[in-house]
Amino acid sequence: DIQMTQTPSSMPASLGERVTISCRASQGISNYLNWYQQKPDGTIKPLIYYTSNLQSGVPSRFSGSGSGTDYSLTISSLEPEDFAMYYCQQYDSSRLTFGSGTKLEIK
Amino acid sequence: QVKLLQSGAALVKPGDSVKMSCKASGYTFTDYIIHWVKQSHGKSLEWIGYINPYSGGTNYNEKFKSKATLTVDKSSSTAYMEFSRLTSEDSAIYYCAREVTTVVTYYFDYWGQGVMVTVSS
Repeated sequence: DIQMTQTPSSMPASLGERVTISCRASQGISNYLNWYQQKPDGTIKPLIYYTSNLQSGVPSRFSGSGSGTDYSLTISSLEPEDFAMYYCQQYDSSRLTFGSGTKLEIK
Repeated sequence: QVKLLQSGAALVKPGDSVKMSCKASGYTFTDYIIHWVKQSHGKSLEWIGYINPYSGGTNYNEKFKSKATLTVDKSSSTAYMEFSRLTSEDSAIYYCAREVTTVVTYYFDYWGQGVMVTVSS
């Protein structure tokens, strides 16, 4: 399996702050990387697909980048609704795997 | 609008089976593959497998091959997952999700609300 290591596991941050979440794959995944957001009520939605493509309806403060084994999700200016869990997911391998998650908390 | 509506929470005994549903609406059911994902308490997401509603073809994560069975009922636009020989390790929230693909993209654009399964005697 391709292991996906997300850092940090939790991140206290303030409204308006710029934050970056990292995701490292155990081998190169050719940009086949997605990001999801999970709210406290369990609702999951896609944010970014294929490394840097913004899902329809997702605010432009979200962006993704990376290549090879290293990828990141950046939120340019935190809004109250952004405090949630974030997961990366690779699809280079047919056995899909997710990162361990990053909890974005209010500082 | 697209919706995936999952069945309600289940409390089951060890050794039993549970069958959960995922009813699709707002799109042509047979046009999109449905995946299932497990989230153990306080943990990350784990891919279980998928089913193609058009053909009935399936693909499972090796870890769940003897545990999960995926089926569909095209007449009601509903996907099902049956989990057998349940143990406490199977207590989790289970999500269904719709796959969207192009030549280079492959992700889940809609998710169900999740089903909490608790295995306890």
